[in-house]
Amino acid sequence: GIQVEQSPPDLILQEGANSTLRCNFSDSVNNLQWFHQNPWGQLINLFYIPSGTKQNGRLSATTVATERYSLLYISSSQTTDSGVYFCAVGIWFGNEKLTFGTGTRLTIIP
Amino acid sequence: ETGVTQTPRHLVMGMTNKKSLKCEQHLGHNAMYWYKQSAKKPLELMFVYSLEERVENNSVPSRFSPECPNSSHLFLHLHTLQPEDSALYLCASSDPGEGLEAFFGQGTRLTVV
Repeated sequence: GIQVEQSPPDLILQEGANSTLRCNFSDSVNNLQWFHQNPWGQLINLFYIPSGTKQNGRLSATTVATERYSLLYISSSQTTDSGVYFCAVGIWFGNEKLTFGTGTRLTIIP
Repeated sequence: ETGVTQTPRHLVMGMTNKKSLKCEQHLGHNAMYWYKQSAKKPLELMFVYSLEERVENNSVPSRFSPECPNSSHLFLHLHTLQPEDSALYLCASSDPGEGLEAFFGQGTRLTVV
């Protein structure tokens, strides 16, 4: 099956710093989503980005589908950005299913 | 209400109990999913329902039994679970088309004692 790798696994930053999270995947995909998992476990949709670039406030994402990677940028980090960030790719098998990476745990220190 | 809602948020059950997890979506989607998140593991897809028909059972043990009575509701019936089944169970929904965005509920944190 498809492999999804995220890096780095852990990232500790001072408040105000910028960060880049990476997601590599091993095959062509129909869908790519970035999620933030809050401390209570809920997955919050950040971006639906099978290709191209999107921005939402301090967050932006870029997916280069031909090279099979996606990047999530967080600028001017805040403590509320702490949590685990997941990349998930969608594979079409007659229905859609998401395969998740192992996540990047981001800790923002005041 | 909007989005995907799961109940209960927390559940502690004994190995001989029977319980059910409930998921409800208010997004007008026709596909619903159960995922399992165990400690230190990636999220794993358990079941997929499309237009109320089960289309994927990802080698899940029979002690987990899904039910989708309509396109807005999804249940996961649990019986004779093992302690290793303790995990966060997440429900998601999307439209049953190719490459469409999925939305997740808050999850049910299950502890089997």
